[in-house]
Amino acid sequence: DTEVTQTPKHLVMGMTNKKSLKCEQHMGHRAMYWYKQKAKKPPELMFVYSYEKLSINESVPSRFSPECPNSSLLNLHLHALQPEDSALYLCASSQEDINNEQFFGPGTRLTVL
Amino acid sequence: LAKTTQPISMDSYEGQEVNITCSHNNIATNDYITWYQQFPSQGPRFIIQGYKTKVTNEVASLFIPADRKSSTLSLPRVSLSDTAVYYCLVGDRLYSSASKIIFGSGTRLSIRP
Repeated sequence: DTEVTQTPKHLVMGMTNKKSLKCEQHMGHRAMYWYKQKAKKPPELMFVYSYEKLSINESVPSRFSPECPNSSLLNLHLHALQPEDSALYLCASSQEDINNEQFFGPGTRLTVL
Repeated sequence: LAKTTQPISMDSYEGQEVNITCSHNNIATNDYITWYQQFPSQGPRFIIQGYKTKVTNEVASLFIPADRKSSTLSLPRVSLSDTAVYYCLVGDRLYSSASKIIFGSGTRLSIRP
């Protein structure tokens, strides 16, 4: 299985809502990532988990809260988002080394109203 | 931090060889060069990675001159399905340097019949 899955595919939420994005991989990868991608822009790294521990937080606002319940799962909890947070949220995983080949999921298209 | 510069867009025709160059003048000794391909509304897909000289796989070739200040992704005999955005990344594969995961601005490649 060489696939990273993400749910939901699309999400519309209000600024007062709480929602979660889910990512799953079964390739035995020990590094997992969250990226944010605005239209016609490159992906921007948000968080990196290594061996289920948060190793990198790229100064992301606290309204985004990542969680890694086990080695196969990665969540991104969303609370009190702003309309400018609307974007494609991508999950990726890789072998132990950072910057090694990353496998990306299809993303969750988030719209904040 | 190695910054990359790529052409914003390129056009070519089916069956042609396409070469996309990435400039990274301040590449560090431990940095690798990685290329990803991204189709609309999908996550990026790893194409190739290299450190020096030439790397070839079933999809592409990567040419890196001796000074490593640039690299060229070569796509042989392109087809319409190669129409996508191509990103160049330069970064250290060491764990502590994860914050160097920065996608370049990308090259939008359009293939015509």
